[in-house]
Amino acid sequence: GAGVSQSPSNKVTEKGKDVELRCDPISGHTALYWYRQSLGQGLEFLIYFQGNSAPDKSGLPSDRFSAERTGGSVSTLTIQRTQQEDSAVYLCASSLESGGPTGELFFGEGSRLTVL
Amino acid sequence: AQTVTQSQPEMSVQEAETVTLSCTYDTSENNYYLFWYKQPPSRQMILVIRQEAYKQQNATENRFSVNFQKAAKSFSLKISDSQLGDTAMYFCAFMKLTGNQFYFGTGTSLTVIP
Repeated sequence: GAGVSQSPSNKVTEKGKDVELRCDPISGHTALYWYRQSLGQGLEFLIYFQGNSAPDKSGLPSDRFSAERTGGSVSTLTIQRTQQEDSAVYLCASSLESGGPTGELFFGEGSRLTVL
Repeated sequence: AQTVTQSQPEMSVQEAETVTLSCTYDTSENNYYLFWYKQPPSRQMILVIRQEAYKQQNATENRFSVNFQKAAKSFSLKISDSQLGDTAMYFCAFMKLTGNQFYFGTGTSLTVIP
């Protein structure tokens, strides 16, 4: 596609429910990142995928968080048993290749999650 | 570990004036990229300007320029002739060339006053 696409744009859920957030990166981009942005805060790194390599999961805050990337393209971030502190905007970004010529990240518009 | 510090949570500037946003970082790497990203109220982050650490010349992109001081690990953003559309959150970011990990500052909220 023309840009990084994320869905849903907004998600309201009840505490304890599971949610899935989807990211469709720019075609041909091998690197994909998930970040979390809480209200008025910076970007918190969650997970990074690069091609067929094992993902860097070092930023996932708990075992309730997981992510996968199928076929090196679309990625799904899953949050199980959601808590109110999970409320945030979840941003996905992709880039052309690891340590590529520009290193530029292209971001989606994010998925705003609200846990009641 | 790499850290990026933006010490100005909020700033404001009069339209058409110049403003400088500060950023410092800490790393033991010698080669890396530095970025300034803009996040307008619409939420989508977009790249403003990029600097390669091995280049001594400061990057410039129209009204946006940086003051890159490698020894001091400082990377400030100067916005000239500020426009209302410059109102946004600005994030400084660091990227290692190995591992491709990005590190972001906490952001500076800039308001351009008409």
